[in-house]
Amino acid sequence: GQQVMQIPQYQHVQEGEDFTTYCNSSTTLSNIQWYKQRPGGHPVFLIQLVKSGEVKKQKRLTFQFGEAKKNSSLHITATQTTDVGTYFCAGPRRGTYKYIFGTGTRLKVLA
Amino acid sequence: DVKVTQSSRYLVKRTGEKVFLECVQDMDHENMFWYRQDPGLGLRLIYFSYDVKMKEKGDIPEGYSVSREKKERFSLILESASTNQTSMYLCASSLFTASSSYNEQFFGPGTRLTVL
Repeated sequence: GQQVMQIPQYQHVQEGEDFTTYCNSSTTLSNIQWYKQRPGGHPVFLIQLVKSGEVKKQKRLTFQFGEAKKNSSLHITATQTTDVGTYFCAGPRRGTYKYIFGTGTRLKVLA
Repeated sequence: DVKVTQSSRYLVKRTGEKVFLECVQDMDHENMFWYRQDPGLGLRLIYFSYDVKMKEKGDIPEGYSVSREKKERFSLILESASTNQTSMYLCASSLFTASSSYNEQFFGPGTRLTVL
């Protein structure tokens, strides 16, 4: 069946280092969403990418959607302690509003 | 601000009990979802509703049912709770758009259910 995989599962970085998480789908996606979940919190929407090859930036965060619309990445430049949390990607099942979430990447930032 | 609320933050139930988890959203969203979140497994969709009285199974519907009698309310029912249903349950809602171009999900705070 359709799957969305995310790597790495965990990442520890020193504050100021960069961080990247990768999301790979077994099928072409119409769009991809990214969410952030702070420890003890609930997922909060960050962004949606729709176009092939799309790149969007939010301050230190850069989101990319692959040319084949099967993969995506989130890159954080110069991490801060406020970036701590789990980052999820999510893609819709073909032709539905039902999203499949990746397993998430848990980011720890060491001060 | 969109608000999604869930009836309890923490719940402890016994094996075999019938459990009701309630979710209410205040933004007139058509779509509502129930997920469970387990370490290492991410969020898995249990059920989805796109309108009042309409529902679709997600990836792991076994042992669960849902009810949507009013647009703002989506209930998850564990017919006979079992220990393997101990988990964090998250409700979410999203707006329906014909073009599907924008359907951000808004999540509630979650209910941590423990089944003993």
